[in-house]
Amino acid sequence: KAGVTQTPRYLIKTRGQQVTLSCSPISGHRSVSWYQQTPGQGLQFLFEYFSETQRNKGNFPGRFSGRQFSNSRSEMNVSTLELGDSALYLCASRTGDLNTEAFFGQGTRLTVV
Amino acid sequence: AQSVTQLDSQVPVFEEAPVELRCNYSSSVSVYLFWYVQYPNQGLQLLLKYLSGSTLVKGINGFEAEFNKSQTSFHLRKPSVHISDTAEYFCAVSVSGGYNKLIFGAGTRLAVHP
Repeated sequence: KAGVTQTPRYLIKTRGQQVTLSCSPISGHRSVSWYQQTPGQGLQFLFEYFSETQRNKGNFPGRFSGRQFSNSRSEMNVSTLELGDSALYLCASRTGDLNTEAFFGQGTRLTVV
Repeated sequence: AQSVTQLDSQVPVFEEAPVELRCNYSSSVSVYLFWYVQYPNQGLQLLLKYLSGSTLVKGINGFEAEFNKSQTSFHLRKPSVHISDTAEYFCAVSVSGGYNKLIFGAGTRLAVHP
């Protein structure tokens, strides 16, 4: 059974640009969550999508957005990149039932220069 | 609001010694508790979880944790560590009705020395 796939693994962008990250969940999983991991702030919840609807949202500015497609794949977009957006972005896949185990991808390492 | 405190940022230990990584949480509602491990340049892997029932939870790789509601703690233990246990460990809570939002502690770096 394939795990959670995040692409790309590494990305370098310039301030002011925008970026799109992709996450393919485990087959059959309908819930996808995104987290940002930085040395200073640790792991912070961005948002969760379930059946193409955003079900929960963390405390991030509107520059951070996401969406989920009918096949449960999810994308996360960050517009007008800032240096502080440099982080490891992790995607977590779940069946969709409440409080079940989250399976994480290897993450996308975004560097903003 | 819910929060998670991992009391030690780093824990050095010798191989085959026991280890305890401490985690305290704060919440006014029922919570579900998790421990995850992260190896360098990797995502997070679930070690164990507490949803309900027995307060002593056994996980993978010989780890176990005990849920203590009165002390709002969920400490992780292993009786004998290996070099391969060197990693970052994260405690997390999920709130009942919170739709799978995980709130993580700051992490504890476990360094196992030969």
